[in-house]
Amino acid sequence: GAVVSQHPSWVICKSGTSVKIECRSLDFQATTMFWYRQFPKQSLMLMATSNEGSKATYEQGVEKDKFLINHASLTLSTLTVTSAHPEDSSFYICSALVGSGGRARGEQYFGPGTRLTVT
Amino acid sequence: AQKITQTQPGMFVQEKEAVTLDCTYDTSDQSYGLFWYKQPSSGEMIFLIYQGSYDEQNATEGRYSLNFQKARKSANLVISASQLGDSAMYFCAMREGRGYQKVTFGIGTKLQVIP
Repeated sequence: GAVVSQHPSWVICKSGTSVKIECRSLDFQATTMFWYRQFPKQSLMLMATSNEGSKATYEQGVEKDKFLINHASLTLSTLTVTSAHPEDSSFYICSALVGSGGRARGEQYFGPGTRLTVT
Repeated sequence: AQKITQTQPGMFVQEKEAVTLDCTYDTSDQSYGLFWYKQPSSGEMIFLIYQGSYDEQNATEGRYSLNFQKARKSANLVISASQLGDSAMYFCAMREGRGYQKVTFGIGTKLQVIP
């Protein structure tokens, strides 16, 4: 299957600092990537849809100025958590869409996730 | 209303036995896709199986099969011959909407396989 990587896998930062998380599709081009957030023992919540070359589409309730998403190339999307606070501590997972977004089939492959802890 | 409902927070199954994980969904779209993912303790989401709303036959992938009942809006995952490595969280998900990009996940079912 397709491979998606995330970096870093684990990060601890101080409150008020910014953290950048990278999501890369290693063996395919992804025009669409997704960013999810998962709290312990809970489901994945879609934060935003990232399309290469255009602005990300954020889900309702997600602060676009706090969670900056940049999809500058067909293999890289970044999520920057700005002015992080302890409540931003979570597991962040990206995924990349394989195949046409116009078909329901398009498989979605996930990165291994990034665990963010804000102290 | 919940888009994806998984009513079993946790399930136990004996090794080598079959187990069914329930999933019901809610959508007004005619075309949609249903997925099951496995998330082991490492956190990585692993794609297991896909069922399209227009697929007439139930999807199968090795030991995984999807019991798709469109009229009842259910898409249960059946794992046959359970293995210890099957212990994980299992998420049912649905893609719907324009461009079929938006995916909604259920809350998951934690499966534990007992030796």
